[in-house]
Amino acid sequence: EVVLTQSPATLSVSPGERATLSCRASQSVASNLAWYQQKPGQAPRLLISRSSTRATGVPARFSGSGSGTEFTLTISSLQSGDFAVYYCQQYGNWPLTFGGGTKVEIK
Amino acid sequence: EVQLVESGGNLVQPGGSLRLSCAASGFTYTNYAMTWVRLTPGKGLKWVSSISGSGERAFYTDSVQGRFTISRDNSRNTLYLQMNSLTADDTAVYYCAKHPHDGDSHFWYFDLWGRGTLVAVSS
Repeated sequence: EVVLTQSPATLSVSPGERATLSCRASQSVASNLAWYQQKPGQAPRLLISRSSTRATGVPARFSGSGSGTEFTLTISSLQSGDFAVYYCQQYGNWPLTFGGGTKVEIK
Repeated sequence: EVQLVESGGNLVQPGGSLRLSCAASGFTYTNYAMTWVRLTPGKGLKWVSSISGSGERAFYTDSVQGRFTISRDNSRNTLYLQMNSLTADDTAVYYCAKHPHDGDSHFWYFDLWGRGTLVAVSS
């Protein structure tokens, strides 16, 4: 199965700063990668699909890039509601797999 | 409102059984493939099982194959997960999630999730 490694595990950022999250795949998944945001007690929310396509209603400060084995989620200017856990997920190969998550916390 | 609401989670003894349900609303349920995903503190998110919109095709992760059965009742807009022979490793929050297609696609990401239901397996 495709193993997704997210880094860092925890990212401490001040509001207004830029956050860069990484997701590395153990083998190529082409552009078949999605990103989700999850806040405590809430359902995960789709942010990005197909590596770089923002989901409906997702602010433009969220952007995704990459293909093959290296992917990045960038939050250009962190707002208070962006502090959460972020997961990547690949759907290029079965079984579907997720990264271990990156917690973005307030610095 | 477009939403998924899971129920049925509980404390169960090892070897026991449980059936989870997921009620869908706000969209044409039969048109979309559905999946169960679980979250454990130590292992993160793990795909468990998926089913096509018609219910004709189902897929399972190896660790639950033969113990879990996914099904759906399209007349009731409800997804199910029958879990048998439960072990401590099955302890997790179980989420149901929707795909943006009926199963005849390779875009198997999730565009809608529920809030989850907790399954705890312990004696």
